[in-house]
Amino acid sequence: GQQVQQSPASLVLQEGENAELQCNFSSTATQLQWFYQSPGGSLVSLLSNPSGTKHTGRLTSTTVTKERRSSLHISSSQTTDSGTYLCAPHTGNYKYVFGAGTRLKVIA
Amino acid sequence: NAGVIQTPRHKVTGKGQEATLWCEPISGHSAVFWYRQTIVQGLEFLTYFRNQAPIDDSGMPKERFSAQMPNQSHSTLKIQSTQPQDSAVYLCASSLVQNNERLFFGHGTKLSVL
Repeated sequence: GQQVQQSPASLVLQEGENAELQCNFSSTATQLQWFYQSPGGSLVSLLSNPSGTKHTGRLTSTTVTKERRSSLHISSSQTTDSGTYLCAPHTGNYKYVFGAGTRLKVIA
Repeated sequence: NAGVIQTPRHKVTGKGQEATLWCEPISGHSAVFWYRQTIVQGLEFLTYFRNQAPIDDSGMPKERFSAQMPNQSHSTLKIQSTQPQDSAVYLCASSLVQNNERLFFGHGTKLSVL
């Protein structure tokens, strides 16, 4: 089945720095979403990006489908960005498989 | 739009008891998913309904877990004879079934089996 690896496992930044999160998966994805989970909070879909580059606010995601990888760039990080970022591809069956996530901490 | 509603938020059961978790998807969403989240295993897929029909239950422990979607406004996940290893946050999500659909998650039900 689909295997999803996210790196780094954790990241600490000073406020204002940029973050680059990576997601690699074992099977070609027809759909991929990035999610955010605040500590003790629910999952929120940040963006959907099965291929190419997508922007929303300070977030940019680039997915290279044939290389089975996606990245999430967070520019000018803020303390409120702290939390866990999860990548979830599916292979056309709508069965999203989640990575273990990248735990981001932004310090003021 | 109230989002995906899950009840109860917390449930404590004794070992061997039954637990029923409820999910109300976003109105108009035709796909409903159940996931389980633990610190050790992360997010695990359990089952998926589309237009109320079960499509994929490959993540469900077969013997004690069952899920139903009797109408488009709610789904239930039932765990019989709960065990301590069933302790987790159970998450329900819904989406439209179309290109670039987004998953919307509820806040989850935290199940604690003593």
